[in-house]
Formats: sequence, structure tokens, C-alpha cells
Amino acid sequence: SQQGEEDPQALSIQEGENATMNCSYKTSINNLQWYRQNSGRGLVHLILIRSNEREKHSGRLRVTLDTSKKSSSLLITASRAADTASYFCVIRRKLSFGAGTTVTVRA
Amino acid sequence: DGGITQSPKYLFRKEGQNVTLSCEQNLNHDAMYWYRQDPGQGLRLIYYSQIVNDFQKGDIAEGYSVSREKKESFPLTVTSAQKNPTAFYLCASRGGAGTGELFFGEGSRLTVL
Repeated sequence: SQQGEEDPQALSIQEGENATMNCSYKTSINNLQWYRQNSGRGLVHLILIRSNEREKHSGRLRVTLDTSKKSSSLLITASRAADTASYFCVIRRKLSFGAGTTVTVRA
Repeated sequence: DGGITQSPKYLFRKEGQNVTLSCEQNLNHDAMYWYRQDPGQGLRLIYYSQIVNDFQKGDIAEGYSVSREKKESFPLTVTSAQKNPTAFYLCASRGGAGTGELFFGEGSRLTVL
């Protein structure tokens, strides 16, 4: 498979809590990207982590990468209602997408 | 501002009709992509183009056609051969240099009546 697989499929959290989702893949990678999609909208690029990096931060986002386990995680800290969206990881040049993780942040 | 524009945002079509979705970008990107998204699912790649006058089939190209006559434009035609065309269609582009980040349009929702 040339795409990442996100886990869990869905996640519901209270505002202010952290949300963690994972991405597993099977091939070697140069980099891994995370995207967000609000309902009925296009996708927005969040963050990219290169294969020689282990952790990267961007605002309230923290991404880790473990190439030995072929997995990545995306952590959203102090979640807000606006974080309600689907999140996707992308790993290959062909840029295939898995089914994503749907995050719901409850007020 | 630079970006990708998809039109129309909503489109209704009768069975047996072809319909063309527009995708235009002013980001000077070489590569462009068309994806299909069904409710609650991920994106499936229909066609992609790495350069003008060249395009490749993705995972679900049957019943679709594209052209890439200009760098800025990558229209998608949903033909009558596509058995289940009702879906959300997303266009994206990617620059030749750099990280490979995809820039997406806002999508076109096609409903077959």
C-alpha cells in the first residue's frame, strides 16, 4: 500500500483536552505530511516531517515520526471547537490518502 | 492572492450526461491532481498531471477524462460511463521544488439525479 492508514477512525474529546491520532505505513518514505479537512471543504496542509526528523512542532501541533516502526503521530494540544475536522497523513509521491481520523471537539 | 479555484461548487446532472469540472491555479505549479471523495471516506486519486500535455491515470480513472493543455488548467470530465458519479471532487496542485505540499481547491459537489 502506498498510503498511510490513520487510527482511530473517529475521536471525540472535550474542549481543552489533547487529541492524538496515528498514521501507519508500509513503504520507505522521504517525508510524511499531515492535512486537515473541515466538513465540505478542501484540505489544508498542516505540517511536514522529514524521514531524518523525529519530532516537529507547529503552534499547538506536535508530530512525531518513528521510521523503524513506520508510524507517525499527530498531537493537537488544548483543543478548540475549530479543530473539529478530519485529519489525513500522506506519505508517497503519488500522494494517496487514507480514510483519515475524524476529530470532534465538544464545547 | 495565489490559489486554486474549482467551479462550479455544486452541480447537478442527469444520468447519461457528461459534465466538466473546472480547476484553475495561479501558483505556477507543474503538477495537478484530481481526487474523488465519498461520504465518510478518504480521497481516491482519479488522474494526475506532472507537466503540461501529459497526464496519468490514478486509482479510479474509469469513466473520467482529463486534459492539460495549459499549465494553469486541469479540467475533469465525468462521462456517462462513470457508473456512480455522485461525489465530492477535489483538485490540487503541487510545486516542482520544495516539500511536495499539496494545495487544494474548495471542491465541487456533483449530484446525479
